[in-house]
Amino acid sequence: DSGVTQTPKHLITATGQRVTLRCSPRSGDLSVYWYQQSLDQGLQFLIQYYNGEERAKGNILERFSAQQFPDLHSELNLSSLELGDSALYFCASSVGRTPITGELFFGEGSRLTVL
Amino acid sequence: GQQVMQIPQYQHVQEGEDFTTYCNSSTTLSNIQWYKQRPGGHPVFLIQLVKSGEVKKQKRLTFQFGEAKKNSSLHITATQTTDVGTYFCAGLGDSNYQLIWGAGTKLIIKP
Repeated sequence: DSGVTQTPKHLITATGQRVTLRCSPRSGDLSVYWYQQSLDQGLQFLIQYYNGEERAKGNILERFSAQQFPDLHSELNLSSLELGDSALYFCASSVGRTPITGELFFGEGSRLTVL
Repeated sequence: GQQVMQIPQYQHVQEGEDFTTYCNSSTTLSNIQWYKQRPGGHPVFLIQLVKSGEVKKQKRLTFQFGEAKKNSSLHITATQTTDVGTYFCAGLGDSNYQLIWGAGTKLIIKP
C-alpha cells in the first residue's frame, strides 16, 4: 500500500461526457502528479501540483484540467471525452517540490473506459 | 525537448536467464530513478541513482548510472517469475527538474 488513494477505481462513460478523478496523496506529501497510461503504453505526464499551485505541465489536453485543494487532495477533470481518452490514470505523490529529493508514490489508478 | 530512450521494448527470457534494460538520455540528468510495474499494477519505486558512475545492487538487481550521467542500465541476474513486469527508468532533467520517463521494457518469462 503506497498510501496514495485514487477513486474511482473503474469508470465507464460515453463519448462527450465529463468525469472527475480524485486523488489523496500520502500523508505529508505536498506534490501531486497525474499520469495517463494507455493500454500497454508508457506513462504520459499530465500535470503536477505542489502545495496547491500548478508547478509543471506536460502533455495535458485543453479538455483536461486539474486542481489541488487546501487539504492537498487533487482532482483531474476530463471533459468532452473521446474514445482515445480510455486509459489508466495514475496519481502519484512526493514530499518535495521536485523529484530530486526522492521517489514518487503511485496510487492504484483509475481505469477510464469511454464507449 | 529532453528525451529518454529505453530499450528493448520487450524481452522474452527463460526463467533463470539474465535480463538487461538500457536507458539513454539526450541530455545530462541530475539523477535517474527506476520503477517496476507488475501486470495490472501500479509503478513502484526501485531505486535512485545520483552520482556519476554509480552502481547499486539489490539482491539480483544491479543498477548503473553512466559516467556522463546520460545513460543507465538495470540488470537482473537469474530471472524468476516474480520479476515479470515492466521496468521504467525516469531521468530527472538537469534544468527543469522534471522526470522524463522511458517507454519501459516489458520482461516476459517464457513458459
